[in-house]
Formats: sequence, C-alpha cells, structure tokens
Amino acid sequence: EAGVTQSPTHLIKTRGQQATLRCSPISGHTSVYWYQQALGLGLQFLLWYDEGEERNRGNFPPRFSGRQFPNYSSELNVNALELEDSALYLCASRMGMGETQYFGPGTRLLVL
Amino acid sequence: GIQVEQSPPDLILQEGANSTLRCNFSDSVNNLQWFHQNPWGQLINLFYIPSGTKQNGRLSATTVATERYSLLYISSSQTTDSGVYFCACQAGTALIFGKGTTLSVSS
Repeated sequence: EAGVTQSPTHLIKTRGQQATLRCSPISGHTSVYWYQQALGLGLQFLLWYDEGEERNRGNFPPRFSGRQFPNYSSELNVNALELEDSALYLCASRMGMGETQYFGPGTRLLVL
Repeated sequence: GIQVEQSPPDLILQEGANSTLRCNFSDSVNNLQWFHQNPWGQLINLFYIPSGTKQNGRLSATTVATERYSLLYISSSQTTDSGVYFCACQAGTALIFGKGTTLSVSS
C-alpha cells in the first residue's frame, strides 16, 4: 500500500511569490492535515481538510490556504511569501477520528 | 489548548545502552503518537498509544492517561536510533507536538 506522497520535494521561491504544495493521502483516507516545521518553532498545525471541506485551521494568516479535491488529495497555497515561511511542510492523512495520522516525506520550501 | 512537554531535550548514549523518553500532557487526549524524525525530515510512526502499553522490537511505550504522561523506552540502542523523537497528542482536531528529544547514539 502506498504511503502519503507529497510534491515537490523542494521548492525555491522569492519573497512575494506564491507557492503551491501538493499531497496525496493513503488510499481510503479522507482526512488530510498540513503542518509546518520551521526552524526554532517546532511542528505546528496549519490546516485540516475532511470530505472536501476545511474543518479547522491553526494560528496562521489567511495567505495560507488550500483545498481538498474529490479524490481527497490536497493542495496548500501560500501567497505573498515571506522569508519566515521557509520551512518543511508536512502532510498527514488518516481514515477516521481517533485514528493514527500517517505523514508524508514533506516539501522543503525556501524563500529567498 | 493542550500543552505537550518532552524530556529530556537532549540525550547522548553509547551503543547498547537503554533510554527512557518522557512526554507529559496537560489535558485528556483521544490520540497520542510517538514519532521518529529521520535525517531527511520524514516522521516515522512508532506508536499510536492513547493508553496502555505496546512493544515493537527494541521499542516499547506506555501511556498512563489518568496521570497524563507517556514513556518511550529504547533498549540496546543502536546508532541508527539517532534522531529526534516527537510525542504528539490530539484532544481536538489536530496533533499538538512536543519540542522533541534529540537522541545521539555513538558507537
């Protein structure tokens, strides 16, 4: 069974640009989570999508947004990139509430 | 929101030694997971353990939900065990991570 996949593995952007990160969950999983791991800030919850709807978001500005497609894959968009957005972005999926979350390999975003 | 604290922050061991990593959490949880983050950044699931005890090879974990803590035991450490170990708890919609324990095992 394939795990959670993310693309691209690395992304380099300049300040002010937009970045799009993609995630495909494990087959059968309907929930997708996004987390940010920035240097010195630890792993922080960004967004949660379930059945195509945004269910909750962490303490991040509105320029962090995303969506979930009918096949349950997800996209994270970061607009008006700032230097501090440089981080590892991790996607996770799970089947149901209270179930294990499985993480993808991440996308490393570097903003210059 | 829930607070997750891990100790110790850093641990240095000789190969073959045993270790215990601790995770304290501030509220009742419906999900507690232990992860090992590899050098490339991927979070590898070790245990899903909101309560009770589980074992997987040289690793075992115990969560005492009523006392709000979890322990991860690593026996006979190997150099490949090096890395960062995270405890993460979920009381609502997302996992809240501790700051991690960085383990260094030398040969």
